[in-house]
Amino acid sequence: ETGVTQSPTHLIKTRGQQVTLRCSSQSGHNTVSWYQQALGQGPQFIFQYYREEENGRGNFPPRFSGLQFPNYSSELNVNALELDDSALYLCASSPPRGGHEQYFGPGTRLTVT
Amino acid sequence: AQSVTQPDIHITVSEGASLELRCNYSYGATPYLFWYVQSPGQGLQLLLKYFSGDTLVQGIKGFEAEFKRSQSSFNLRKPSVHWSDAAEYFCAVGASNFGNEKLTFGTGTRLTIIP
Repeated sequence: ETGVTQSPTHLIKTRGQQVTLRCSSQSGHNTVSWYQQALGQGPQFIFQYYREEENGRGNFPPRFSGLQFPNYSSELNVNALELDDSALYLCASSPPRGGHEQYFGPGTRLTVT
Repeated sequence: AQSVTQPDIHITVSEGASLELRCNYSYGATPYLFWYVQSPGQGLQLLLKYFSGDTLVQGIKGFEAEFKRSQSSFNLRKPSVHWSDAAEYFCAVGASNFGNEKLTFGTGTRLTIIP
């Protein structure tokens, strides 16, 4: 059984640029959640996708957006990058009717300079 | 709104000694509770979860946690730690209603194991 995978592993961007992070959910899982983890902090919920629709959003500005595809994979897009966006971005997938039971991928480390 | 407090930022334990990591939550109803472990530069691994029923839950790697409603706590325990348990541990709470399935995490407890 393949777990949650994320790409790329690391990314360096310049302030003002745009970035797309990708996530493949675990086999059989249909819900994807995204979290931002700043250095030394716990993960913060960005949003969740279920049936290709946003199903809950945390306290993040609209320049954070996402997509979920029919195969349940997902993208996180961040526009107009700011220095404070530097963080580990974690994707988690959940089984059907188990949205709270979240299994995390290894994350993408984003550095904004 | 739900919240989680992990009072201990850093704990040092000798290998073979017992371990207890503290977690206190705030939520208006019966919460869903989780413990995750994170090794440096890695994602989060689910250790155990509590949804309902028996308040003592068993997880992977020999960990267990006890839900105490009266104390709003969900402390993680292990009777004998191994050097490989050195990592960051996060407690998380989820709201028990459909359509609000975000997890709220604490700030974590870093566990150091000394020989």
